[in-house]
Amino acid sequence: EDQVTQSPEALRLQEGESSSLNCSYTVSGLRGLFWYRQDPGKGPEFLFTLYSAGEEKEKERLKATLTKKESFLHITAPKPEDSATYLCAVRNYGQNFVFGPGTRLSVLP
Amino acid sequence: ETGVTQSPTHLIKTRGQQVTLRCSSQSGHNTVSWYQQALGQGPQFIFQYYREEENGRGNFPPRFSGLQFPNYSSELNVNALELDDSALYLCASSKKQSSTDTQYFGPGTRLTVL
Repeated sequence: EDQVTQSPEALRLQEGESSSLNCSYTVSGLRGLFWYRQDPGKGPEFLFTLYSAGEEKEKERLKATLTKKESFLHITAPKPEDSATYLCAVRNYGQNFVFGPGTRLSVLP
Repeated sequence: ETGVTQSPTHLIKTRGQQVTLRCSSQSGHNTVSWYQQALGQGPQFIFQYYREEENGRGNFPPRFSGLQFPNYSSELNVNALELDDSALYLCASSKKQSSTDTQYFGPGTRLTVL
């Protein structure tokens, strides 16, 4: 059974304090690993798709990396507006998305 | 380009009632998926529709049903509502067989069952 876990469950950072979020997965034939950002009471906002081990993608202060068993979302010099829940999801061949529980990030000014 | 829209935004129902939620997919997308997200949890896959047919289903009972229309919009119907059905219901659209298969989400419908 496909499974996604995320750690930590919650993370509090000071503005400018860089850190990383972890997404560990087991999936039968990875078709893609997806990162989303979700603000309270709103729908998830797409950030990145990664398809193969070694792949990296960047967007502003965020950088996502992928290995055969996990993905990291690195946040460099975060700002308070980066506060949100970050969701990781995987998709395998012929199946649909399986989401992790998310990491709640708070960036304090 | 129009994004994914959902209606209504909020809904309050009582136990045993039936509810219909609506979703309009993003322009150019032919696939719609529905998710249930309980407070503090990740979205749980309910089902997906492609070309007006169900194309995959998660671990949800038959009282959760859906439709997709020729314009790719979709409905989620839930019968015999239970208290545990209270959640944020998310619709996501994508372009089947595209190289990216990325799903884009709507803002969600917050359902409260009393």
